Amino acid sequence: NAGVMQNPRHLVRRRGQEARLRCSPMKGHSHVYWYRQLPEEGLKFMVYLQKENIIDESGMPKERFSAEFPKEGPSILRIQQVVRGDSAAYFCASSPLAPESTDTQYFGPGTRLTVL
Amino acid sequence: AQSVAQPEDQVNVAEGNPLTVKCTYSVSGNPYLFWYVQYPNRGLQFLLKYITGDNLVKGSYGFEAEFNKSQTSFHLKKPSALVSDSALYFCAVRAPTGGSNYQLIWGAGTKLIIKP
Repeated sequence: NAGVMQNPRHLVRRRGQEARLRCSPMKGHSHVYWYRQLPEEGLKFMVYLQKENIIDESGMPKERFSAEFPKEGPSILRIQQVVRGDSAAYFCASSPLAPESTDTQYFGPGTRLTVL
Repeated sequence: AQSVAQPEDQVNVAEGNPLTVKCTYSVSGNPYLFWYVQYPNRGLQFLLKYITGDNLVKGSYGFEAEFNKSQTSFHLKKPSALVSDSALYFCAVRAPTGGSNYQLIWGAGTKLIIKP
């Protein structure tokens, strides 16, 4: 039973470049959530997606950030023109049922983005 | 505003002694409460959750947590600590109703150090 998979685990980018973070949910899970963890802080919700739909992106910055979860393939969190303040750990979680249920969110190992 | 507080940045416990990691919350209605553990350079692992029912919840690795509605607390406990329990512990809450009830709201984390 593979868990939530994220790649790459570590990503280094220079200011102005693009960062693409991938997340493959657990088998059978169709709900994906992205969180950001800044150093010495807890996680902050960014976006919630179902297949081909963005349900809630209220936690995601309006500019430079976008997310998708296509019918086939992993969910992608894309950060354009990265700045140093984007350096953080980005975690993906998935759950099998509708979020109105009590279902637990299961987390991937995270992608640690460093912007030079 | 909904929030979670973990009042201790760090907790030090001798191996074999009981441990408590504190969590209090501020959420309208009856919340769903979660504990996760994060080992260095790894993702978050689900430990336990409280949805309804018995206030004492048992989880993975011998951990348990007690829901106290009057004190709005959900402290994590273990009767006898192991050195391998050393990690970062996060408390999270989810409101059961409302438009953003799938968002997990996180505490800042408590570093647990178990000394041999």
